Amino acid sequence: GQQVMQIPQYQHVQEGEDFTTYCNSSTTLSNIQWYKQRPGGHPVFLIQLVKSGEVKKQKRLTFQFGEAKKNSSLHITATQTTDVGTYFCAGPANSGYSTLTFGKGTMLLVSP
Amino acid sequence: DTGVSQNPRHKITKRGQNVTFRCDPISEHNRLYWYRQTLGQGPEFLTYFQNEAQLEKSRLLSDRFSAERPKGSFSTLEIQRTEQGDSAMYLCASSLSGSYNEQFFGPGTRLTVL
Repeated sequence: GQQVMQIPQYQHVQEGEDFTTYCNSSTTLSNIQWYKQRPGGHPVFLIQLVKSGEVKKQKRLTFQFGEAKKNSSLHITATQTTDVGTYFCAGPANSGYSTLTFGKGTMLLVSP
Repeated sequence: DTGVSQNPRHKITKRGQNVTFRCDPISEHNRLYWYRQTLGQGPEFLTYFQNEAQLEKSRLLSDRFSAERPKGSFSTLEIQRTEQGDSAMYLCASSLSGSYNEQFFGPGTRLTVL
């Protein structure tokens, strides 16, 4: 079945440093979504990318969807302690567009 | 509060007991999803409803698991004859219908099977 893989599993940065997490799918995706889960919290939707090569920005966060629609990345510029959490990418499961397959996530720790 | 709510937030049970969890989605959302999440993993899809119809179940879902959404509003997830391997966070999410809609997650029910 479809697999969504994320790297790295974990990253520890100093506040102010940049951070990037990468997401790769075994199949072409119609769209990809990104979620953030704070420690002890639940996943919260960040953004959805649909078009090949699409780039979207949310303040210090930049999301990119690959040309082949099989990979995506999330880049955070000048991390802050509020960025701490696990970032998940998710793509539609093979069975249909309504259900999502999540990656294992990248846990980000930011030291002040 | 108009977000997704789940009850109970925590459940501790002994192996072999049955447990039931409830999810109240955002009122105008007709899609409802159940996921399971264990430490260090992403949410794993269990099942999904559109209104009262259960449209999809994960192949990983044991026959000890059953979910209902009788009136197309709240949903319940029941686990019969719980096993220690069922210990996890059970997350509910809801969304509008249509393609590519973001899912809104509830706070989850943490199940511990002793």
